[in-house]
Amino acid sequence: AAGVIQSPRHLIKEKRETATLKCYPIPRHDTVYWYQQGPGQDPQFLISFYEKMQSDKGSIPDRFSAQQFSDYHSELNMSSLELGDSALYFCASSLMVAEQYFGPGTRLTVT
Amino acid sequence: AQKVTQAQTEISVVEKEDVTLDCVYETRDTTYYLFWYKQPPSGELVFLIRRNSFDEQNEISGRYSWNFQKSTSSFNFTITASQVVDSAVYFCALTQYNQGGKLIFGQGTELSVKP
Repeated sequence: AAGVIQSPRHLIKEKRETATLKCYPIPRHDTVYWYQQGPGQDPQFLISFYEKMQSDKGSIPDRFSAQQFSDYHSELNMSSLELGDSALYFCASSLMVAEQYFGPGTRLTVT
Repeated sequence: AQKVTQAQTEISVVEKEDVTLDCVYETRDTTYYLFWYKQPPSGELVFLIRRNSFDEQNEISGRYSWNFQKSTSSFNFTITASQVVDSAVYFCALTQYNQGGKLIFGQGTELSVKP
């Protein structure tokens, strides 16, 4: 069965640079979520989209933005990167309010 | 406010032992969902089970079983006859039906199963 695809899997950036993370949800899933997981921590909700419209927002810095495109893929854009942004970023998708299936994650390292 | 508490930070068992991971949640809503996810050392998050607030039936899937008790706001997870491959961090999570589905995770329990 098709799973959630994330790219890239690993990303190394320097402080103040910009990063773009991509997510391709499971076909026919109508909701996409982004989470950030710091080392040794639980995943924290950033933002979600339902049918390409932003549906909820968590503790997402103003330096971050996201959108969902007409083909349902989503991108998380992160600007003015800081050392503290180093984390594992997960995308998940679901059909309505149901179990969320997570992608493999993008490991971002900011140096 | 919603909150999920997994009081056990780390658990270490020997293969074939049974182990129970505790999860306690807080929510004001009457309609909500509870989940368990497994995060092995490779890092991905694997969905294990979903329970809605109206269904208190316990569930068994192979060596895994879940005990949902609304009276104590608990959703505990038991692994029977543990195996080395069960070594992972296990997260309990909560979402409220009218909150768009975002997951509130507990702190996670790191399970180590030794041969």
